[in-house]
Amino acid sequence: AIQMTQSPSSLSASVGDRVTITCRASQGIRNDLGWYQQKPGKAPKFLIYSTSTLHSEVPSRFSGSGSGTDFTLTISSLQPEDFATYYCLQDYTYPWTFGQGTKVEIK
Amino acid sequence: QVHLVESGGGVVQPGESLRLSCAASGFTFSGYGMHWVRQAPGKGLEWVAFLRHDGSNENHADSVTGRFTISRDNSKNTLYLQMNSLRVEDTAVYYCARDFHNSGNDYWGQGTLVTVSS
Repeated sequence: AIQMTQSPSSLSASVGDRVTITCRASQGIRNDLGWYQQKPGKAPKFLIYSTSTLHSEVPSRFSGSGSGTDFTLTISSLQPEDFATYYCLQDYTYPWTFGQGTKVEIK
Repeated sequence: QVHLVESGGGVVQPGESLRLSCAASGFTFSGYGMHWVRQAPGKGLEWVAFLRHDGSNENHADSVTGRFTISRDNSKNTLYLQMNSLRVEDTAVYYCARDFHNSGNDYWGQGTLVTVSS
């Protein structure tokens, strides 16, 4: 199975900060990567698919980039509602695999 | 609107079986592939299984292959996960999620907790 390695595992940031989370695949996955946001006790929320396409009603401060094995989620100006855990997911081949998550905490 | 409601979770002993259900509404269930994803307490997300819209071409994670079976009844708008030979490490919240053009999962249920403990 393809391994997805996310970094960092956690970070502290302030409202208004630019935040970057990276995800590395153990082999090339073209652009078949998505990002999810999860808040405590809630189901994940679909943010981005195909590396860089925002799902409906996702704020434009979220963006994604990358291809092949290295991918990035960027939040351009962190808002209070963005404090959560973020996961990448490769959907290039089954079994699909998630990164281990990045917890974004308030500084 | 799209609504997914899981049920069937509970507490079982190692080696026992359990069947989860996911009732779908607000969309044409028979037109979408469906997934199960789980999350152990305090841990990350783990993809579990996928089934195409017509019930063909199922896929499972290596960790559940041979023990879990995904199925669906399109006449009842319901997805299932039959879990046999349960292990302590299968303890998790189990989510059903709709497939988004084989590019992720756009809608998720609220999850159902399965606890495997002696």
